[in-house]
Amino acid sequence: QVQLQESGPGLVKPSETLSLTCTVSGGSISNYYWSWIRQPPGKGLEWIAYINYSGSTNYNPSLKSRVTISIVASKSQLSLKLLSVTAADTAVYYCARREVGFVGTKSYWYFDLWGRGTLVTVSS
Amino acid sequence: DIQMTQSPSSLSASVGDRVTITCRASQSISSHLNWYQQKPGKAPKFLIYAASSLQSGVPSRFSGSGSGTDFALTISGLQPEDVATYYCQQIYISPFTFGPGTKVDIK
Repeated sequence: QVQLQESGPGLVKPSETLSLTCTVSGGSISNYYWSWIRQPPGKGLEWIAYINYSGSTNYNPSLKSRVTISIVASKSQLSLKLLSVTAADTAVYYCARREVGFVGTKSYWYFDLWGRGTLVTVSS
Repeated sequence: DIQMTQSPSSLSASVGDRVTITCRASQSISSHLNWYQQKPGKAPKFLIYAASSLQSGVPSRFSGSGSGTDFALTISGLQPEDVATYYCQQIYISPFTFGPGTKVDIK
């Protein structure tokens, strides 16, 4: 079955760039939208951005000035870059697949598959 | 941004109890509401979309209701494996915000 796996440094220094990769295995990266979501320790979930297989993106305005997401379909990978990190960016970062469901003729989407998440700590 | 609130923030109930968690949006989101379950140390698991449509494989004791601004997740017959934090999420308008979560424990 399809699995998502986040990878990247677990420790990033303040003011540096956080870079993560999500590898999709067991299925195609095409025809789906893919998202990054984060969760500070002991806190709730924050949607960061999504991208589709053709590179169309949508960013959370609260992070848009610092975030770039991209996709390399040939490697079945998506990536996240977050610039100028601070301690407030310490979180578990998840990648997730966006699926679509229908009620009658109306479509609704949801995150049906999630990676296990990777903890990134921002500290000197 | 659409703000999502949940109540209660935590609850403790007995096995077999009926448990209801409410979620409120700061503006109407029609039925564009998802529910997720997160167990400690794990990634969230998707439960319900379109406010009331159960994901395949999710036990039928879980149900969702509501539209507009007020929604509910009900567990009809709480089981030990339901101990988790439950989050609602609106997918009506970007940014796609989550509620703060409701932690469910067994009494």
